Amino acid sequence: DTGVSQNPRHKITKRGQNVTFRCDPISEHNRLYWYRQTLGQGPEFLTYFQNEAQLEKSRLLSDRFSAERPKGSFSTLEIQRTEQGDSAMYLCASSPVGSGTEAFFGQGTRLTVV
Amino acid sequence: SQQGEEDPQALSIQEGENATMNCSYKTSINNLQWYRQNSGRGLVHLILIRSNEREKHSGRLRVTLDTSKKSSSLLITASRAADTASYFCATDGTSGSRLTFGEGTQLTVNP
Repeated sequence: DTGVSQNPRHKITKRGQNVTFRCDPISEHNRLYWYRQTLGQGPEFLTYFQNEAQLEKSRLLSDRFSAERPKGSFSTLEIQRTEQGDSAMYLCASSPVGSGTEAFFGQGTRLTVV
Repeated sequence: SQQGEEDPQALSIQEGENATMNCSYKTSINNLQWYRQNSGRGLVHLILIRSNEREKHSGRLRVTLDTSKKSSSLLITASRAADTASYFCATDGTSGSRLTFGEGTQLTVNP
C-alpha cells in the first residue's frame, strides 16, 4: 500500500491523558499536513511540514498540541492533557512540493475523549 | 467562518439525475480543488482547477470557476448511488501551502 497511512484508526482516551498519533506519508512527498475535522464540518488546518521543518501552525494548535517530523518522513501529533473538545477526526495528508498539487489524505484517526 | 462555503448543505436526488454543488470563497487563490469523503473515511481528490481556467472536465465531473465572483461549481452528471458522499471545495491560497476547506455538501443519491 503506497498511500498515506495513519495509526491508530480509533483512539478512546480519558480526559487528561496524553495521546499520540502517527502518520506515514507517501514516500516521495516532501509536504505533510495535519487537519482536524469535527462532525458535519470541513477539515481545519492544524500544521504543515516541508521535509523536517514545521513551516506553519494554525492558531487552533494550542500549546497542548505538538507535531514533529524528525527525519522528514513519518510525523507524530501529540495532544497532552486531552479535553472533551479534542474529540474529532485527525487527518494527515501529503503532497509533493509546489502549489497546484493535490493532497493525498490518510483514513484519519478518530479520537474520542471521555 | 471558513474560506469556502458550499451550497447547498445537503442534496438528495434520484439515480441518473445531475447534481450541482456550489462553493464560494473570500480571498485570492492559486487553485481550487474538489474532494469527496465517504462517511468516516479520508478525503479523495476529485479535480483541480487553476485560477486562470474557467472550466474543467473529468469523466462525469464538470467544474467551473468564476474568479470575479469568487465561486465554483461542481456538476456530477448521471449520478449513481455510489456517488453518495460529502463533497468539499478547498482553496489553495497565494502562499501555496495550506488548503482551506468549506463545510461541504452532503449528497445522497437514491437508487
